[in-house]
Amino acid sequence: DAKTTQPPSMDCAEGRAANLPCNHSTISGNEYVYWYRQIHSQGPQYIIHGLKNNETNEMASLIITEDRKSSTLILPHATLRDTAVYYCIVKGVAGANNLFFGTGTRLTVIP
Amino acid sequence: EAGVAQSPRYKIIEKRQSVAFWCNPISGHATLYWYQQILGQGPKLLIQFQNNGVVDDSQLPKDRFSAERLKGVDSTLKIQPAKLEDSAVYLCASSVAQTENEQFFGPGTRLTVL
Repeated sequence: DAKTTQPPSMDCAEGRAANLPCNHSTISGNEYVYWYRQIHSQGPQYIIHGLKNNETNEMASLIITEDRKSSTLILPHATLRDTAVYYCIVKGVAGANNLFFGTGTRLTVIP
Repeated sequence: EAGVAQSPRYKIIEKRQSVAFWCNPISGHATLYWYQQILGQGPKLLIQFQNNGVVDDSQLPKDRFSAERLKGVDSTLKIQPAKLEDSAVYLCASSVAQTENEQFFGPGTRLTVL
């Protein structure tokens, strides 16, 4: 699986959009981009995933560049409960369903 | 729907002792995972089951760790004997199928080895 690079930490003001970047320059054509988050003392939680098109659900939007070498997770109106570590993961659909978690981005939403 | 259940939530043992963790996945989920999360790091997969068969245990330290899912439902992860470096949170997750995109995680068991 391709590896990802994320900034170690970011701050965001409450109510503003949080834009979390991820670089995955070695992604291959059949690999998806997944985002999970982990709130303190909880297990990781799935947020969203995509292949090449932009995706949106009730939690977030995922913007993937045309060359697929990077992506951005957008939380449109961050709340204090969005404070967590956000993991960007690249994974193919074949084989074992192993999620390789890096160290992620620690997002702090500030009141 | 009920989530993934794990017990105990916390465990403190001395090195060389044995410990076991229990996981009950979401009903109907065929695939079950055990992850180890050391403080400051992301979770790392230890073992993946599909029903009661092992799909991937390449990262499981088999000299001291073992896991089973005898009836294809709940699972037990055991460490015998424990080392100081086994101090971590042990997370259990499940998914509907092996190729399913979303894994559902339990709250984890925090193990401290003294």
